[in-house]
Order: sequence, then C-alpha cells, then structure tokens
Amino acid sequence: DTGVSQNPRHKITKRGQNVTFRCDPISEHNRLYWYRQTLGQGPEFLTYFQNEAQLEKSRLLSDRFSAERPKGSFSTLEIQRTEQGDSAMYLCASSLVRDRANEKLFFGSGTQLSVL
Amino acid sequence: DAKTTQPPSMDCAEGRAANLPCNHSTISGNEYVYWYRQIHSQGPQYIIHGLKNNETNEMASLIITEDRKSSTLILPHATLRDTAVYYCIASKTGANNLFFGTGTRLTVIP
Repeated sequence: DTGVSQNPRHKITKRGQNVTFRCDPISEHNRLYWYRQTLGQGPEFLTYFQNEAQLEKSRLLSDRFSAERPKGSFSTLEIQRTEQGDSAMYLCASSLVRDRANEKLFFGSGTQLSVL
Repeated sequence: DAKTTQPPSMDCAEGRAANLPCNHSTISGNEYVYWYRQIHSQGPQYIIHGLKNNETNEMASLIITEDRKSSTLILPHATLRDTAVYYCIASKTGANNLFFGTGTRLTVIP
C-alpha cells in the first residue's frame, strides 16, 4: 500500500499566477476527493470523482478552480489567477466504495499553497 | 448533517486511556458517527465509525450513548504518537458529506 501521493508538497506563487496540483490515489480506489484546509480549521470539502466522473462540487469551488481525473486514476486541481485567499493546504483523499455508509477516506499529506 | 461539539483541547498522560467526548444532540437516526485524527503536517486518518452499537478496532473504541446524543472515543493506552487533532463527524452517508469542524487537540504528556 503506497498510500495517496500528492505533489508538490509546497508551492509558493505570486498573486495572479496559475498553479496545478497532482494527486495519485491508492491504485484500486474508485473515488477521489479534494479538500482544502486553512490554519486552525478542519478540512473543507471541495469536489469528488467517482472514476473519471466529477459528481459533486462545493460552493467553495469558484470558477477559478478546476479539477480533472481524466482516466479515473490520478487527478489534478488547477487554480487560475490565484488570490491571497487561496493560500491553504489542499488535501486529496481516495476511497474504495462498496457501501457508502462504511466508506473510509485515505488522505495524502497535502500540498501547501502560499500566494504572495 | 448534525452539528457536533467537541472540547477544543485535552491532555492525557502517556500510557493512560484517552477519552475524547463528542456531543451530537441533533443527530438523526440514519447518521453515523465518524472519527478521524490529524497528526501535525499530515492528512487526516480514519479511526472508527458507528451507528448505534459500540465499536472497537485495533486503534480505538467508540462508545455511543443509548439516545445517540453523544459519544466517546477511547484510546486505551495513549502514546506520544497519539498527539493529534481528533475530529468527530456526524454524517448520513458518503465522505462528501463529512464536515470536520475544528476538533479536539489531544496532547499526550510523557
């Protein structure tokens, strides 16, 4: 079990630049989630995929954010025209869903974004 | 999903049992109680979940009151590596409905 892998671990960018993060889930997992976490707060749901289909997006996900999971494996999260308020830890999680009530998320270590 | 209330912080002596309370007085009949924890600089880690009955696994025990309005996560023999933020979540189904809140910061003291 190699776990959920996220790259890069840290990203520093200037306001207005675009950034892209990558998440590699656990290989047999069919669901992939993106969460965002700011200092002192718990993670907040952004979006999730079942295989390659994006099934839900939070209202937190503005139109500057886009996520893809092209072949149902890895996923990317892109933020366009970054703002200082986008500074946060971006967490990816995956799960193998057989029974939604017993779904367990496995999280990566996150990508820490700092927008200057 | 029901709102949960947890104390912001707790201390526990190493080797003793850590009992982390959670109040979910508005929980509905089909909402599960999930516990995750987050060690510094890592993503959250699933611990345990339950609906009505008490549950135990290799990490912890979950005790849910008969009226389901509160629960307690028990770490039977806390170690320094158990120092983390512990999140109690009430959710109907599915991880997309997980609302983490701010959790309880548990510090295990040598």
